[in-house]
Amino acid sequence: GESVGLHLPTLSVQEGDNSIINCAYSNSASDYFIWYKQESGKGPQFIIDIRSNMDKRQGQRVTVLLNKTVKHLSLQIAATQPGDSAVYFCAEKKGSYKLSFGAGTTVTVRA
Amino acid sequence: NAGVMQNPRHLVRRRGQEARLRCSPMKGHSHVYWYRQLPEEGLKFMVYLQKENIIDESGMPKERFSAEFPKEGPSILRIQQVVRGDSAAYFCASSPPSNYEQYFGPGTRLTVT
Repeated sequence: GESVGLHLPTLSVQEGDNSIINCAYSNSASDYFIWYKQESGKGPQFIIDIRSNMDKRQGQRVTVLLNKTVKHLSLQIAATQPGDSAVYFCAEKKGSYKLSFGAGTTVTVRA
Repeated sequence: NAGVMQNPRHLVRRRGQEARLRCSPMKGHSHVYWYRQLPEEGLKFMVYLQKENIIDESGMPKERFSAEFPKEGPSILRIQQVVRGDSAAYFCASSPPSNYEQYFGPGTRLTVT
């Protein structure tokens, strides 16, 4: 099964299910988007990125989708594991270096 | 290759004291960025520095906050006369001179009592 939320601050997902985390961005001029994972007490860790000239990019167990028409970004995690429990942030890069972060979605994986 | 290092990890200050937060970038990285994270919020950009230069401080509060990245030694974020509203997690990131891919440190959690 899948757990999908539209810009929800929290997401609870059963271990083994797929997760979808959504994010809306504000600046149509942003040319680069990144998903970060932040575990409790740690700094953000890079998961995957996508350039604005792409619609989809896949990594290991993760896929990022970009819909520029509605300025929407999503992160899909396949076969969610307990170690995936964390806060997930999308960030857009404005210009060459300045990252602008969203509010984050807390993902809790149920055993 | 050690990652970005920040110290202290936790800092408690009373109102009116000064807070000094340190960040050592990854080896080979000459660009440093500071971000602030309030509870339940995303990170907010504060300042971008290169060695001995402040490139962009558009996210820094106008008063009491300053940052430096000297030729030798770590980058320092300094908060003078701290107030309760300064309580937050402060993250440092670094990137190499060839691109702007940022790697984050573990953060310093500042508590103002």
